[in-house]
Amino acid sequence: NAGVTQTPKFQVLKTGQSMTLQCAQDMNHNSMYWYRQDPGMGLRLIYYSASEGTTDKGEVPNGYNVSRLNKREFSLRLESAAPSQTSVYFCASTEAGGPSTTNEKLFFGSGTQLSVL
Amino acid sequence: QKEVEQNSGPLSVPEGAIASLNCTYSDRGSQSFFWYRQYSGKSPELIMFIYSNGDKEDGRFTAQLNKASQYVSLLIRDSQPSDSATYLCAVKSEKLTFGTGTRLTIIP
Repeated sequence: NAGVTQTPKFQVLKTGQSMTLQCAQDMNHNSMYWYRQDPGMGLRLIYYSASEGTTDKGEVPNGYNVSRLNKREFSLRLESAAPSQTSVYFCASTEAGGPSTTNEKLFFGSGTQLSVL
Repeated sequence: QKEVEQNSGPLSVPEGAIASLNCTYSDRGSQSFFWYRQYSGKSPELIMFIYSNGDKEDGRFTAQLNKASQYVSLLIRDSQPSDSATYLCAVKSEKLTFGTGTRLTIIP
C-alpha cells in the first residue's frame, strides 16, 4: 500500500541545471499537487492538477513546469535551477480537489530535499 | 495580514496534560478546516477535519470551529511524547491555504 511515492528523496544541483521530480499515487485520486516547504513560510502551492489532463498555477509557479502524465503520475520540472529553489518539495493527492470542492483531504509523499548551489 | 495564522511556538506541555493549538483565518467564506501533524523530517499527515461550527472528537483529539470568530483549534488530551510534532492548520475556501505551523513539545 504505497500511497504517494516521490523520487528522488535528495538532490543537489548546480545553478542552471535542470531536473524533474517524479510523483505517483496508487489511490486512484483525481487531483494532484506540488508544494514547497520553507522555514517560516509554511507549505506553498506550486502547481496542481484537479483532474487528468488539466494543470493550474498555484501561489509560486515561477521557475517550474508540470506534466500530468496520466491519472497516477504528476511530475515537476525545474528548467534552470536557482538557489531560491532550495527547499523541501512535497507531492500530494486527493480524491477530488480544486476551487469547487470542500473535501480536500491531502495525502502527501515523503518529500524531496533539494539544494541548489 | 496572513490568511491563516498560527503561533509558531514552541509550545511545551507536560505529559498527560491537554495541549491546545489555535489557528485564525481571514476569509469568512472558508468552508473546510484541517489539522495536519508533521514530525521532524517527515511529510504532513491529516489527523482531523471539521466543516461545521462546534466540536468534533476523534480519540484523544478534538477539533473546535467557531466561524463567527474565525478560529479553529485542536485539543490533544492526555498528551504523549509521541505527540511532539509540528501541527499545521489548513483552511479551504476557493483554495487550500496552510498556516506555518505550531511546534509542540510534550515534556515527559
